Amino acid sequence: EVQLVESGGGLVQPGRSLRLSCAASGFTFDDYAMHWVRQAPGKGLEWVSGISWNSGSIGYADSVKGRFTISRDNAKNSLYLQMNSLRAEDTALYYCAKDRHFGVVPSYFDYWGQGTLVTVSS
Amino acid sequence: DIVMTQTPLSLSVTPGQPASISCKSSQSLLHSDGKTYLYWYLQKPGQSPQLLIYEVSSRFSGVPDRFSGSGSGTDFTLKISRVEAEDVGVYYCMQGIHLPPTFGQGTKVEIK
Repeated sequence: EVQLVESGGGLVQPGRSLRLSCAASGFTFDDYAMHWVRQAPGKGLEWVSGISWNSGSIGYADSVKGRFTISRDNAKNSLYLQMNSLRAEDTALYYCAKDRHFGVVPSYFDYWGQGTLVTVSS
Repeated sequence: DIVMTQTPLSLSVTPGQPASISCKSSQSLLHSDGKTYLYWYLQKPGQSPQLLIYEVSSRFSGVPDRFSGSGSGTDFTLKISRVEAEDVGVYYCMQGIHLPPTFGQGTKVEIK
């Protein structure tokens, strides 16, 4: 059974940093691309970032480019999102999602975690 | 970015009746490999999104056959042949042909 468990969310002040983690199990982690998708309270879904199976291809939404960094550790079956210079508009539930493919594009997400909540507020 | 536009944004359906959601993309989702990268997700209340349909019309593992997808190019439709109480939630279409992957606004389905 595929399992994706996010952690690392919390309340953080604007301008500060946070690192999210996603622990994966139930599939061969280094065969697939992985993504972060977020959902602001009461809003729709927004793709944040994606990373290919071997970290050779990475993409970011314009809204986070230059502030967020995605990475993965295939030996630990883990995905990460380093979030710097956080803003109020980054407040959202952040989901880790597994891709069906090994590359970042074309992309689709066949399994999602339960999410970790990030609240940016003073 | 490719814009995904869903209609309607909300739907109230009597159990056992059909429902249909439209999704239009601002660009063709047909890839040079012959596949069309259009997906449908359902987010049930309090849950994370779950994949229903991939590549326009293929049902994901475990998805009941009352769900079906159709369309081509830029126009797509999700149909539920007979709505059940467990089908309530928000339905999203998504394109995966170009970065960034983009979602429709969502269609909220409720039971009458």
